[in-house]
Amino acid sequence: TQLLEQSPQFLSIQEGENLTVYCNSSSVFSSLQWYRQEPGEGPVLLVTVVTGGEVKKLKRLTFQFGDARKDSSLHITAAQPGDTGLYLCAGKPRAGGTSYGKLTFGQGTILTVHP
Amino acid sequence: GAGVSQSPSNKVTEKGKDVELRCDPISGHTALYWYRQSLGQGLEFLIYFQGNSAPDKSGLPSDRFSAERTGGSVSTLTIQRTQQEDSAVYLCASSLGLAVAYNEQFFGPGTRLTVL
Repeated sequence: TQLLEQSPQFLSIQEGENLTVYCNSSSVFSSLQWYRQEPGEGPVLLVTVVTGGEVKKLKRLTFQFGDARKDSSLHITAAQPGDTGLYLCAGKPRAGGTSYGKLTFGQGTILTVHP
Repeated sequence: GAGVSQSPSNKVTEKGKDVELRCDPISGHTALYWYRQSLGQGLEFLIYFQGNSAPDKSGLPSDRFSAERTGGSVSTLTIQRTQQEDSAVYLCASSLGLAVAYNEQFFGPGTRLTVL
């Protein structure tokens, strides 16, 4: 069974601060996705990272996939109140086998950015 | 519609009753997924479909849970003899396919199930 440990579970910061969310596993994933979810809605995909060591940037958000494809991080620079939400990482297993379509989600990080 | 739709949006039922939750995926999406989410928590995988087939049912919590998909489109998640611990938001998602390039999952708004 593949597990993803996401930390921290809660993060409360002031506008303008930087933050990092971590996602760790002992399993290797073929890809890892980051989602953001707002209350009453389903998660929305932010990014997919596929290659070990890959870094992707989305405005003030930087995503990194570990070299061994077992861990990932999300870094937000100069956080804004609009960044408030639940952030979820999700790992996809390697191709082949009946579990290929299964995404394993971390427990989520509830981020609150105060004005 | 353009997105994934789920019905009902809210369902309150009594312990021991059966419930059916419906998901309409995005047209043309071959893969469909069901998840369960407790308040403010991550998503628990339940089952996924590729076409009408469910290759991995390992996430279903018990034999009270079942799901089917017909015509490669609409899916129904059925929970028999509901228990209070079944209370959660049930989310459905669909994607073009299973390969990484097509695996962006588009989620519906969920069905909030409350078992009294």
